[in-house]
Amino acid sequence: DAGVIQSPRHEVTEMGQEVTLRCKPISGHNSLFWYRQTMMRGLELLIYFNNNVPIDDSGMPEDRFSAKMPNASFSTLKIQPSEPRDSAVYFCASSLEGGLAKNIQYFGAGTRLSVL
Amino acid sequence: AQKITQTQPGMFVQEKEAVTLDCTYDTSDQSYGLFWYKQPSSGEMIFLIYQGSYDEQNATEGRYSLNFQKARKSANLVISASQLGDSAMYFCAMREGRSNDYKLSFGAGTTVTVRA
Repeated sequence: DAGVIQSPRHEVTEMGQEVTLRCKPISGHNSLFWYRQTMMRGLELLIYFNNNVPIDDSGMPEDRFSAKMPNASFSTLKIQPSEPRDSAVYFCASSLEGGLAKNIQYFGAGTRLSVL
Repeated sequence: AQKITQTQPGMFVQEKEAVTLDCTYDTSDQSYGLFWYKQPSSGEMIFLIYQGSYDEQNATEGRYSLNFQKARKSANLVISASQLGDSAMYFCAMREGRSNDYKLSFGAGTTVTVRA
């Protein structure tokens, strides 16, 4: 089975540009998570969805960040406008929540974003 | 307050020896789950092992085992017979039991270097 698929793997952009990160969760999973990893702050949860509905976006740093999940197999994280301090590795993870599931989150390979 | 504490920033271990990575957690919930993830230099986050708070036996997955001491709120990862490929960063994480809260809290991580 394919795991969580993220694209692009690497993104280099200039300050002020719009950046869109994409994620395809594992088929059948009903929850999707966006994380950001930096040396200074470690792994931070930005937002998560359950059944395509945003449940908790308290980790989204500011209004420049937005996330959508239009259907069960696709999500985007958009940064507009981007700033150098947004440079980080962004991970998407998915899990099956509910019932007897252990609710293990499986991560994608990450997108390394560099904002110049 | 930190929910997950990993006090060892880095460790060296000789190939074929065992290594224990410390993790302590803080929660007032009775139901929670503890997870360990591995992040090799290539950057992906790989799920290793899970322990539920009500599990009576310590979790094991191949060469990985979890030394779960509930009263001490510790969930140490033991890697037996270390291999060069075990060199990576290891993260402990916790999910608390609230039914509508799927978030994972991560520790700062421990870097393991396996020496030949």
